[in-house]
Amino acid sequence: GEDVEQSLFLSVREGDSSVINCTYTDSSSTYLYWYKQEPGAGLQLLTYIFSNMDMKQDQRLTVLLNKKDKHLSLRIADTQTGDSAIYFCAERRDSWGKLQFGAGTQVVVTP
Amino acid sequence: GAGVSQTPSNKVTEKGKYVELRCDPISGHTALYWYRQSLGQGPEFLIYFQGTGAADDSGLPNDRFFAVRPEGSVSTLKIQRTERGDSAVYLCASSQNPNNEQYFGPGTRLTVT
Repeated sequence: GEDVEQSLFLSVREGDSSVINCTYTDSSSTYLYWYKQEPGAGLQLLTYIFSNMDMKQDQRLTVLLNKKDKHLSLRIADTQTGDSAIYFCAERRDSWGKLQFGAGTQVVVTP
Repeated sequence: GAGVSQTPSNKVTEKGKYVELRCDPISGHTALYWYRQSLGQGPEFLIYFQGTGAADDSGLPNDRFFAVRPEGSVSTLKIQRTERGDSAVYLCASSQNPNNEQYFGPGTRLTVT
C-alpha cells in the first residue's frame, strides 16, 4: 500500500481557491511533486519542491512544505473548470528518482 | 518536441497469454521508469533503467514480469502467463537524468480476461 496519504475527494466552486493536502512518511525524501491526471490522459507534472524549501509559487499554484510534520499542500488560486482532475502527490526517496505516489485526490470544480 | 509514447494504448488478452508493452522515451533521456496504476490507486514503481541496465527492479511483482532496454532508448515490458490481477494501466516515464523531473507517457491499459 501507499505510505503517502491524501484525502480522496475535494469539491470546489469555480473562482474559489482549492487546497489539496498530502502527508508522507520518509523524512529523507529529497523532492516532493504534484502531478495532475485528467480522464484518459497520462500524468502531467505540475510543480515540485525541494525538501529544503518551505514554499514555492508558480502562477496560480502555491506549494507549502512542513518538513517537521511531513505535510505537503497544493493551493490552486482562482480554480477553473479545467482544473477538474485527479491530483497526485509523490515523494522521491532515493538517488534513482523512484517515486512513491499517494492514491490521488479527485478535484471537482462546480460552476 | 515529442513526448513519451507508449504502444499499444489498449491491450486485451486472455489469461495465460504473453504480452509485450512498448515505451519510447523522450530523445536523449537516459533514465526510464515503468509504473503500474490500478483502478483508484496511484502509480506504483516497477523498474528503473539507467541507460541499458536495470538499476532497480525491486518493484517487479514476480518473475513473470521482465523488462529490457537493449539500446538505451526504447524499452519493452514483458509479462508472461498473464493473470487477471495484472489488469492495470502501465505507465512509462523518462527523465534526462535521475535528478531531473520525470515525464510520463499516456499509458497502456492492459485487460486480462
